[in-house]
Amino acid sequence: GAVVSQHPSRVICKSGTSVKIECRSLDFQATTMFWYRQFPKKSLMLMATSNEGSKATYEQGVEKDKFLINHASLTLSTLTVTSAHPEDSSFYICSAAPQRYYGYTFGSGTRLTVV
Amino acid sequence: GIQVEQSPPDLILQEGANSTLRCNFSDSVNNLQWFHQNPWGQLINLFYIPSGTKQNGRLSATTVATERYSLLYISSSQTTDSGVYFCAVSRDDKIIFGKGTRLHILP
Repeated sequence: GAVVSQHPSRVICKSGTSVKIECRSLDFQATTMFWYRQFPKKSLMLMATSNEGSKATYEQGVEKDKFLINHASLTLSTLTVTSAHPEDSSFYICSAAPQRYYGYTFGSGTRLTVV
Repeated sequence: GIQVEQSPPDLILQEGANSTLRCNFSDSVNNLQWFHQNPWGQLINLFYIPSGTKQNGRLSATTVATERYSLLYISSSQTTDSGVYFCAVSRDDKIIFGKGTRLHILP
């Protein structure tokens, strides 16, 4: 149990286009999900907290208009990278906690390459 | 915010060796997890261990919450243990990662 599914696993897009990444909790409901970004050989940096039915909370330095987050249901959060540029190329990963005191589980990640 | 420091940053061992990875954190937390990130980027949850000791096969972990550190032990290392090990903590529903320990097990 406690599976988080993330799609797509890999995407290549052209500069200026938008890309949507989906994060689904398969066997539990998640009122809160988290989005992280990871550069090569670096740690995971929290980008934003996605809240079901309300606005996401962004970390300092993360552009809200660049990284649009929608959490429309208790099992789905989406991250849209708008007007993507090569510097947006990175590994994006989402997470959720099935129960607060049992730890967090992570999706398998999305490797975005903007050309 | 909470600071998480992991040591050593890099570790190269021969197959069969034992290792200890350390995680120090700067404030009280209500969640601490150890993850292994495989070469494909997937984070594998090893332990949920805000306090106490747990064991799973060749791996074990101990967290001393009062002293704000956690240790991950890997015994009889195998080449498949290679990868990056992350310690992550949370207090207010946001999980913060350390910079990781990159482990390379030589055959």
